[in-house]
Amino acid sequence: KQEVTQIPAALSVPEGENLVLNCSFTDSAIYNLQWFRQDPGKGLTSLLLIQSSQREQTSGRLNASLDKSSGRSTLYIAASQPGDSATYLCAVRNTGRRALTFGSGTRLQVQP
Amino acid sequence: SQTIHQWPATLVQPVGSPLSLECTVEGTSNPNLYWYRQAAGRGLQLLFYSVGIGQISSEVPQNLSASRPQDRQFILSSKKLLLSDSGFYLCASGGAINEQFFGPGTRLTVL
Repeated sequence: KQEVTQIPAALSVPEGENLVLNCSFTDSAIYNLQWFRQDPGKGLTSLLLIQSSQREQTSGRLNASLDKSSGRSTLYIAASQPGDSATYLCAVRNTGRRALTFGSGTRLQVQP
Repeated sequence: SQTIHQWPATLVQPVGSPLSLECTVEGTSNPNLYWYRQAAGRGLQLLFYSVGIGQISSEVPQNLSASRPQDRQFILSSKKLLLSDSGFYLCASGGAINEQFFGPGTRLTVL
């Protein structure tokens, strides 16, 4: 059974810092991995999707990497801003499964 | 891109009352549809998914049921709510191999 872990559970940084959020998964037979952002009381916004054959994806100040063999992904946020404050969720889709398995998230606070 | 609508946004219901949450999707056809629940302090748990009209698969045994009467409509129901049904319910849409997109969610409180 796939298990997804996100470390740290919470993170507080001053504005302008570069930061890394970590995601690990136990079953490397994944089809893809997706990073989401969730604002309090809101739905999930898709940030980046990495297919199992890819090593990384970039969107603006965000860069996500994937090392399938070691069961790890990182989300790098450059030059953080107070508007980046949210919970970031990592989710994997296993080969042969239609649904995602989610981590419990990292709650990020960027201090102005 | 897809747009997912959910209503109501919030709901407060007494124990034992019925439930109906609705999800509709725009901007795609024949999507896979999903219901997830996010309980306080916990991760998202998949409840149901559907690959087509009338086709429902359940991930966990529970007090809830789902139906898909139209291609882009997904409904979550219960005949009698329990306290443990409280949570944040999210509808999602996606192809078998593509990104999943999520709706704004429904906050359900059962008293």
